[in-house]
Amino acid sequence: GQNIDQPTEMTATEGAIVQINCTYQTSGFNGLFWYQQHAGEAPTFLSYNVLDGLEEKGRFSSFLSRSKGYSYLLLKELQMKDSASYLCAVRDSNYQLIWGAGTKLIIKP
Amino acid sequence: ETGVTQTPRHLVMGMTNKKSLKCEQHLGHNAMYWYKQSAKKPLELMFVYNFKEQTENNSVPSRFSPECPNSSHLFLHLHTLQPEDSALYLCASSQDQDSSYEQYFGPGTRLTVT
Repeated sequence: GQNIDQPTEMTATEGAIVQINCTYQTSGFNGLFWYQQHAGEAPTFLSYNVLDGLEEKGRFSSFLSRSKGYSYLLLKELQMKDSASYLCAVRDSNYQLIWGAGTKLIIKP
Repeated sequence: ETGVTQTPRHLVMGMTNKKSLKCEQHLGHNAMYWYKQSAKKPLELMFVYNFKEQTENNSVPSRFSPECPNSSHLFLHLHTLQPEDSALYLCASSQDQDSSYEQYFGPGTRLTVT
């Protein structure tokens, strides 16, 4: 079967750095996405990785290792508004997105 | 309006009711999706339409019936639902189904079946 694993919940302090991990086992691989979802709102796109390595976008970076079936989302200089759920999704060989259950990130002052 | 819109935002219905959810995208995309999101569970893909043709139906019960009259509009018709169908129903769109482009989501309809 296909599976995406990510921690259920994480807590971090304002101004700090946090890394959210995602491991996957899918039928084929055609890219990995990270989305942010605030409570009661739509998921919004954060990043896309298809090749190994680090993609940086301001305070957010995403890393991919295809050989290890592993990705992480790195958030720097945490702000209270970063409190949200972070969803990892992998596009499989049929170009269907397989989603993780999401990681709820709680930021404390 | 811009992006992806969904109506209604909240819906409470009895098990014998019939209702419809509406989604509209203003992005010129060719693929549209219905997802079900339950608490602490992964997003469940329900249906995919690509260029108005249904390309995916992930074993969804027949009490959910999609309709895609054109590339900009997507409906989900509901009838004789069960309490376990209570969830957030999200609509999304993308440039097309088989591309690396991200999906854009609407705000969802929070459905409660009583």
